Amino acid sequence: QSVLTQPPSVSGAPGQSVTISCTGSSSNIGAGYDVHWYQQLPGTAPKLLIYGDNNRPSGVPDRFSGSKSGTSASLAITGLQAEDEADYYCQSYDTSLSAWVFGGGAKLTVV
Amino acid sequence: EVQLVESGGGLVQPGGSLRLSCVASGFTFSSYEMNWVRQAPGKGLEWVSYISSSGTTIYHADSLKGRFTISRDNAKNSLYLQMDSLRAEDTAIYYCARAKVTTWGDYFDHWGQGTLVAVSS
Repeated sequence: QSVLTQPPSVSGAPGQSVTISCTGSSSNIGAGYDVHWYQQLPGTAPKLLIYGDNNRPSGVPDRFSGSKSGTSASLAITGLQAEDEADYYCQSYDTSLSAWVFGGGAKLTVV
Repeated sequence: EVQLVESGGGLVQPGGSLRLSCVASGFTFSSYEMNWVRQAPGKGLEWVSYISSSGTTIYHADSLKGRFTISRDNAKNSLYLQMDSLRAEDTAIYYCARAKVTTWGDYFDHWGQGTLVAVSS
């Protein structure tokens, strides 16, 4: 069981929008630690998608955005495209565990 | 261009040992903290180990119970993971990941392609 909780799967039609949630606790997200998001395309290594709650590395489309409130964070994807089909992971730091922690991952299907 | 290339994975029997390597290029390796992150087949990501840029500070996930040791050789632009007393549950793809340090929590800005470790008799 992951320290950060994500829905196992989400789906949306091309052009639509989806949101992936990431729920933590007072020892990680709620303690003020940043949330970061990674995209893992099938058969490839994870790639940084969002850092510091809501910042995009160069090259990441502005269709991807992040937000955080309290003990939770969200990744929003607008204008869904077929190539967005991937697993998405949130990540933060947990002060009780003294460890970097990940969510269990959410599989996005573009139907 | 930042590149991280892992090697050293393979099939090993339970109780055996393996040493993973990660060679870095395209950036000043000695200036960056580094990590190992693993992913069991069909499962999510799990942070394994951290090492500071100088190698003086090291952290490992509690679940490893002291069986793994991270190290680095800045002269060779290389990161290592010594894995001892391997168990079936250690079967995973092991990724080398560069850390970007921030006040409110590091993140992993570059990842290698991974190396597969399979523990089985």
